[in-house]
Amino acid sequence: NAGVMQNPRHLVRRRGQEARLRCSPMKGHSHVYWYRQLPEEGLKFMVYLQKENIIDESGMPKERFSAEFPKEGPSILRIQQVVRGDSAAYFCASSSRGHTDTQYFGPGTRLTVL
Amino acid sequence: QKEVEQDPGPLSVPEGAIVSLNCTYSNSAFQYFMWYRQYSRKGPELLMYTYSSGNKEDGRFTAQVDKSSKYISLFIRDSQPSDSATYLCAMSANSGAGSYQLTFGKGTKLSVIP
Repeated sequence: NAGVMQNPRHLVRRRGQEARLRCSPMKGHSHVYWYRQLPEEGLKFMVYLQKENIIDESGMPKERFSAEFPKEGPSILRIQQVVRGDSAAYFCASSSRGHTDTQYFGPGTRLTVL
Repeated sequence: QKEVEQDPGPLSVPEGAIVSLNCTYSNSAFQYFMWYRQYSRKGPELLMYTYSSGNKEDGRFTAQVDKSSKYISLFIRDSQPSDSATYLCAMSANSGAGSYQLTFGKGTKLSVIP
């Protein structure tokens, strides 16, 4: 199965800790989008990356959040000093070209902040 | 006014019924329109994609786009209990930064009763 992989599937952190979420795109895909789904809310765009480049981070909170997509390895969404409001499901989607017709989603990481 | 409006339901129908799901949008720049299905605690699964006004059919699913009215629909014929899920409409336009980020509706929760 060459689908989008995300790990961990579930992550529990205490307030003030760091959370690292990983996303391995589908084979052959070099474009990654991250979305966040808050309880009772729709999916919201966070950031769009290509290999080694952040293309659009207009949806990222200005502080504590960062993302990278290195030449080798998965894309990582990093949340520093987590707060309870960061509890959500975080999804990544990968694309072969960046056009929306090929945006395929992973199973998500559910972050719970205690 | 939200960019994408979608009735959250819940919507409950008997098995075999025709289901109609709808979204309206306000941003005339949206060019690409999608429907995703999301089962509980899973990632969104792409069902239909279209970029022009009119109808697109795939098996029991028909997607309809009316750009003049800024209105999109998904019809499900002969609905099955396995169709019970949350249906998300999504749309996108080039953000100007080269990003085709998706803007989602909040989703409609559908239950098909045997």
